Amino acid sequence: DGGITQSPKYLFRKEGQNVTLSCEQNLNHDAMYWYRQDPGQGLRLIYYSQIVNDFQKGDIAEGYSVSREKKESFPLTVTSAQKNPTAFYLCASSARGTSGRGQETQYFGPGTRLLVL
Amino acid sequence: GNSVTQMEGPVTLSEEAFLTINCTYTATGYPSLFWYVQYPGEGLQLLLKATKADDKGSNKGFEATYRKETTSFHLEKGSVQVSDSAVYFCALSDPLISSGSARQLTFGSGTQLTVLP
Repeated sequence: DGGITQSPKYLFRKEGQNVTLSCEQNLNHDAMYWYRQDPGQGLRLIYYSQIVNDFQKGDIAEGYSVSREKKESFPLTVTSAQKNPTAFYLCASSARGTSGRGQETQYFGPGTRLLVL
Repeated sequence: GNSVTQMEGPVTLSEEAFLTINCTYTATGYPSLFWYVQYPGEGLQLLLKATKADDKGSNKGFEATYRKETTSFHLEKGSVQVSDSAVYFCALSDPLISSGSARQLTFGSGTQLTVLP
Protein backbone atom coordinates (compact mmCIF):
# COMPACT_ATOMS: atom_id res chain seq x y z
CA ASP A 1 0.00 0.00 0.00
CA GLY A 2 1.25 3.47 -0.85
CA GLY A 3 1.28 6.04 1.85
CA ILE A 4 3.11 8.09 4.43
CA THR A 5 4.36 6.64 7.68
CA GLN A 6 5.47 8.56 10.73
CA SER A 7 7.22 7.22 13.78
CA PRO A 8 7.04 7.05 16.64
CA LYS A 9 3.36 7.66 17.41
CA TYR A 10 4.32 9.20 20.77
CA LEU A 11 7.67 10.72 21.70
CA PHE A 12 8.89 12.09 25.00
CA ARG A 13 11.59 14.71 25.23
CA LYS A 14 13.66 15.67 28.25
CA GLU A 15 14.89 19.19 28.85
CA GLY A 16 17.88 20.06 26.68
CA GLN A 17 17.47 17.00 24.48
CA ASN A 18 17.23 16.88 20.69
CA VAL A 19 14.71 14.41 19.27
CA THR A 20 14.10 13.28 15.70
CA LEU A 21 10.74 12.47 14.16
CA SER A 22 10.68 10.12 11.20
CA CYS A 23 8.64 10.58 8.02
CA GLU A 24 8.77 8.13 5.11
CA GLN A 25 6.67 8.04 1.93
CA ASN A 26 6.45 5.47 -0.86
CA LEU A 27 4.24 7.58 -3.13
CA ASN A 28 7.20 8.75 -5.24
CA HIS A 29 6.30 12.33 -4.35
CA ASP A 30 8.86 15.07 -4.89
CA ALA A 31 7.69 17.54 -2.25
CA MET A 32 7.47 16.90 1.48
CA TYR A 33 6.30 19.09 4.36
CA TRP A 34 6.32 19.28 8.15
CA TYR A 35 3.49 20.93 10.08
CA ARG A 36 2.90 21.61 13.74
CA GLN A 37 -0.62 21.42 15.20
CA ASP A 38 -1.50 22.89 18.58
CA PRO A 39 -4.85 22.28 20.31
CA GLY A 40 -7.67 24.29 18.79
CA GLN A 41 -5.44 25.71 16.09
CA GLY A 42 -4.81 25.08 12.46
CA LEU A 43 -1.62 23.68 11.01
CA ARG A 44 1.50 25.79 10.78
CA LEU A 45 4.27 25.04 8.32
CA ILE A 46 7.70 24.30 9.82
CA TYR A 47 9.79 23.25 6.80
CA TYR A 48 9.25 21.98 3.30
CA SER A 49 11.36 20.36 0.63
CA GLN A 50 10.77 20.28 -3.11
CA ILE A 51 13.58 17.93 -4.00
CA VAL A 52 16.40 15.87 -2.51
CA ASN A 53 19.07 17.95 -0.76
CA ASP A 54 16.89 21.05 -0.80
CA PHE A 55 14.60 22.45 1.91
CA GLN A 56 13.07 25.78 2.82
CA LYS A 57 11.94 27.34 6.08
CA GLY A 58 8.24 27.70 6.70
CA ASP A 59 6.49 30.06 9.07
CA ILE A 60 7.82 28.61 12.35
CA ALA A 61 11.24 27.06 11.57
CA GLU A 62 13.07 28.34 14.65
CA GLY A 63 14.16 25.51 16.94
CA TYR A 64 13.73 22.85 14.24
CA SER A 65 16.00 21.31 11.60
CA VAL A 66 15.44 18.91 8.70
CA SER A 67 17.35 16.92 6.11
CA ARG A 68 16.39 15.42 2.76
CA GLU A 69 19.04 12.90 1.78
CA LYS A 70 16.58 10.54 0.11
CA LYS A 71 13.42 11.22 -1.85
CA GLU A 72 11.42 8.95 0.44
CA SER A 73 12.55 10.40 3.76
CA PHE A 74 12.22 13.80 5.45
CA PRO A 75 13.15 13.59 9.15
CA LEU A 76 12.49 16.49 11.51
CA THR A 77 14.71 17.24 14.50
CA VAL A 78 13.27 19.22 17.38
CA THR A 79 16.25 20.87 19.01
CA SER A 80 16.75 22.06 22.56
CA ALA A 81 16.30 25.60 21.21
CA GLN A 82 12.60 24.91 20.70
CA LYS A 83 11.24 26.01 24.07
CA ASN A 84 7.67 24.87 23.60
CA PRO A 85 7.85 21.64 21.60
CA THR A 86 4.71 19.95 22.94
CA ALA A 87 2.45 19.52 19.91
CA PHE A 88 1.16 17.13 17.28
CA TYR A 89 3.52 16.96 14.28
CA LEU A 90 2.25 16.07 10.83
CA CYS A 91 4.24 15.18 7.76
CA ALA A 92 2.79 15.52 4.26
CA SER A 93 3.84 15.03 0.65
CA SER A 94 2.67 16.08 -2.80
CA ALA A 95 3.44 15.07 -6.36
CA ARG A 96 5.02 17.00 -9.20
CA GLY A 97 2.52 17.88 -11.91
CA THR A 98 2.93 17.16 -15.60
CA SER A 99 3.88 20.79 -16.17
CA GLY A 100 6.70 20.41 -13.69
CA ARG A 101 4.97 22.54 -11.09
CA GLY A 102 3.72 21.08 -7.87
CA GLN A 103 0.40 19.36 -7.48
CA GLU A 104 -1.77 21.11 -4.93
CA THR A 105 -3.14 18.16 -3.03
CA GLN A 106 -1.07 17.17 -0.02
CA TYR A 107 -1.34 13.74 1.59
CA PHE A 108 -0.74 13.44 5.30
CA GLY A 109 0.80 10.89 7.60
CA PRO A 110 -0.80 9.77 10.89
CA GLY A 111 1.24 12.18 13.02
CA THR A 112 3.60 12.08 16.00
CA ARG A 113 2.62 13.51 19.36
CA LEU A 114 5.61 15.04 21.17
CA LEU A 115 5.46 15.53 24.91
CA VAL A 116 7.99 17.10 27.26
CA LEU A 117 8.95 15.31 30.47
CA GLY B 1 -1.15 37.71 2.96
CA ASN B 2 -3.42 34.73 2.55
CA SER B 3 -5.79 33.65 5.29
CA VAL B 4 -8.66 31.27 5.93
CA THR B 5 -11.42 31.93 8.44
CA GLN B 6 -13.60 29.10 9.63
CA MET B 7 -16.75 28.99 11.65
CA GLU B 8 -15.81 28.51 15.28
CA GLY B 9 -16.78 25.32 16.99
CA PRO B 10 -17.54 23.10 18.55
CA VAL B 11 -20.61 22.16 16.57
CA THR B 12 -22.95 19.53 18.01
CA LEU B 13 -25.72 18.00 15.91
CA SER B 14 -28.12 15.11 16.13
CA GLU B 15 -27.82 12.28 13.64
CA GLU B 16 -29.50 13.05 10.29
CA ALA B 17 -29.32 16.82 10.87
CA PHE B 18 -28.13 19.21 8.15
CA LEU B 19 -24.56 20.44 8.46
CA THR B 20 -23.00 23.71 7.35
CA ILE B 21 -19.48 24.77 8.28
CA ASN B 22 -18.63 28.22 6.98
CA CYS B 23 -15.28 29.04 5.42
CA THR B 24 -14.14 32.32 3.89
CA TYR B 25 -10.74 33.18 2.52
CA THR B 26 -8.42 36.00 1.53
CA ALA B 27 -5.88 35.35 -1.20
CA THR B 28 -3.66 37.35 -3.52
CA GLY B 29 -4.10 35.05 -6.50
CA TYR B 30 -6.73 32.58 -7.64
CA PRO B 31 -6.41 29.80 -5.12
CA SER B 32 -7.56 26.23 -5.05
CA LEU B 33 -9.69 25.37 -2.02
CA PHE B 34 -9.78 22.25 0.10
CA TRP B 35 -11.61 20.60 2.97
CA TYR B 36 -9.64 18.15 5.07
CA VAL B 37 -11.00 15.97 7.88
CA GLN B 38 -9.12 14.79 10.96
CA TYR B 39 -10.43 11.93 13.08
CA PRO B 40 -9.24 11.72 16.71
CA GLY B 41 -5.54 10.99 17.03
CA GLU B 42 -5.01 10.75 13.28
CA GLY B 43 -3.56 12.78 10.44
CA LEU B 44 -5.57 14.78 7.92
CA GLN B 45 -7.47 13.21 5.06
CA LEU B 46 -8.52 15.11 1.97
CA LEU B 47 -12.31 15.31 1.90
CA LEU B 48 -12.90 17.38 -1.24
CA LYS B 49 -11.43 20.19 -3.30
CA ALA B 50 -12.28 22.79 -5.96
CA THR B 51 -9.78 24.47 -8.24
CA LYS B 52 -11.73 27.31 -9.85
CA ALA B 53 -14.74 29.55 -9.35
CA ASP B 54 -18.14 27.81 -9.38
CA ASP B 55 -16.58 24.37 -9.09
CA LYS B 56 -18.34 22.04 -6.68
CA GLY B 57 -16.29 19.49 -4.77
CA SER B 58 -18.11 16.48 -3.37
CA ASN B 59 -17.28 13.28 -1.50
CA LYS B 60 -19.07 10.95 0.93
CA GLY B 61 -22.20 13.13 0.89
CA PHE B 62 -20.26 16.32 1.66
CA GLU B 63 -20.31 19.22 -0.81
CA ALA B 64 -18.70 22.64 -1.10
CA THR B 65 -18.94 25.23 -3.88
CA TYR B 66 -16.16 27.69 -4.73
CA ARG B 67 -17.81 31.13 -4.60
CA LYS B 68 -15.40 33.76 -5.86
CA GLU B 69 -17.84 36.64 -5.44
CA THR B 70 -18.20 35.95 -1.71
CA THR B 71 -14.73 34.39 -1.28
CA SER B 72 -16.33 31.41 0.41
CA PHE B 73 -16.18 27.60 0.36
CA HIS B 74 -18.79 26.44 2.85
CA LEU B 75 -19.00 22.72 3.66
CA GLU B 76 -22.45 21.08 3.68
CA LYS B 77 -23.95 17.68 4.24
CA GLY B 78 -27.62 16.89 4.12
CA SER B 79 -27.72 14.19 6.78
CA VAL B 80 -24.82 13.69 9.18
CA GLN B 81 -23.91 10.43 10.86
CA VAL B 82 -22.17 9.68 14.15
CA SER B 83 -19.16 8.55 12.11
CA ASP B 84 -18.80 12.11 10.74
CA SER B 85 -17.65 13.32 14.16
CA ALA B 86 -14.21 14.84 13.54
CA VAL B 87 -12.37 18.12 13.08
CA TYR B 88 -12.81 19.76 9.69
CA PHE B 89 -10.20 22.10 8.19
CA CYS B 90 -10.65 24.49 5.32
CA ALA B 91 -7.47 25.31 3.39
CA LEU B 92 -6.26 27.15 0.32
CA SER B 93 -3.36 26.74 -2.07
CA ASP B 94 -2.24 29.92 -3.76
CA PRO B 95 -0.47 29.34 -7.09
CA LEU B 96 1.46 32.55 -6.56
CA ILE B 97 3.12 30.97 -3.52
CA SER B 98 4.96 27.98 -4.80
CA SER B 99 8.54 26.82 -4.95
CA GLY B 100 9.25 24.36 -7.71
CA SER B 101 7.38 21.16 -6.88
CA ALA B 102 6.26 22.39 -3.45
CA ARG B 103 2.93 24.14 -2.91
CA GLN B 104 2.08 25.79 0.38
CA LEU B 105 -1.29 25.38 2.05
CA THR B 106 -2.89 27.94 4.36
CA PHE B 107 -5.22 26.36 6.91
CA GLY B 108 -8.14 27.60 8.94
CA SER B 109 -8.20 26.84 12.66
CA GLY B 110 -10.51 23.84 12.31
CA THR B 111 -14.09 23.14 13.39
CA GLN B 112 -14.87 20.32 15.79
CA LEU B 113 -18.05 18.45 14.83
CA THR B 114 -19.78 16.06 17.22
CA VAL B 115 -22.79 14.07 16.01
CA LEU B 116 -25.00 12.53 18.67
CA PRO B 117 -27.05 9.36 18.06
